[in-house]
Amino acid sequence: GQQLNQSPQSMFIQEGEDVSMNCTSSSIFNTWLWYKQDPGEGPVLLIALYKAGELTSNGRLTAQFGITRKDSFLNISASIPSDVGIYFCAGPPSGAGSYQLTFGKGTKLSVIP
Amino acid sequence: SAVISQKPSRDICQRGTSLTIQCQVDSQVTMMFWYRQQPGQSLTLIATANQGSEATYESGFVIDKFPISRPNLTFSTLTVSNMSPEDSSIYLCSVSLNTEAFFGQGTRLTVV
Repeated sequence: GQQLNQSPQSMFIQEGEDVSMNCTSSSIFNTWLWYKQDPGEGPVLLIALYKAGELTSNGRLTAQFGITRKDSFLNISASIPSDVGIYFCAGPPSGAGSYQLTFGKGTKLSVIP
Repeated sequence: SAVISQKPSRDICQRGTSLTIQCQVDSQVTMMFWYRQQPGQSLTLIATANQGSEATYESGFVIDKFPISRPNLTFSTLTVSNMSPEDSSIYLCSVSLNTEAFFGQGTRLTVV
């Protein structure tokens, strides 16, 4: 099946630092979704991207849909302790039903106060 | 968005038994999805549940092991049958609205 390569696998950063993570695929994606999962909870949608080149912000979070439609990145500015969690990229590969999501393996973020 | 309630939130079960997980959505949706998240891993789609028809299972998942019900447009159940320790995972219910997926809080299952 389709695979999303997400990196880095984990990050330890100081509070206040900026964070960047990305997701790549060998296949074209029509939509890129970024989720955050807190321990003991289900994933929560952070940002949805629909067009190649699209750059979207949600507070301190910014995500971009790559021009090739095979990658996306998520940036978090001025990190705070509550940013701790696992961040997943996801999307329906081109040719799949729009509701059938493939997920990356996640980036585990730790913020040191 | 959608509000999705799952229960139980967690359970510890004996091997060989079965557990049924319930998922309730606050709005009517055509398709509901069940995912499995093994410890430290990402989410894997088990099946898509359509109201009025049999669920569609992904490769590696079968109806005998994971029977699904979808009696109406706001409710679904997933049963994990004849459990073994390898079934210990988080099971997540999801719905899609305008191509964006929303998740319940998950059911953390431990099989001993």
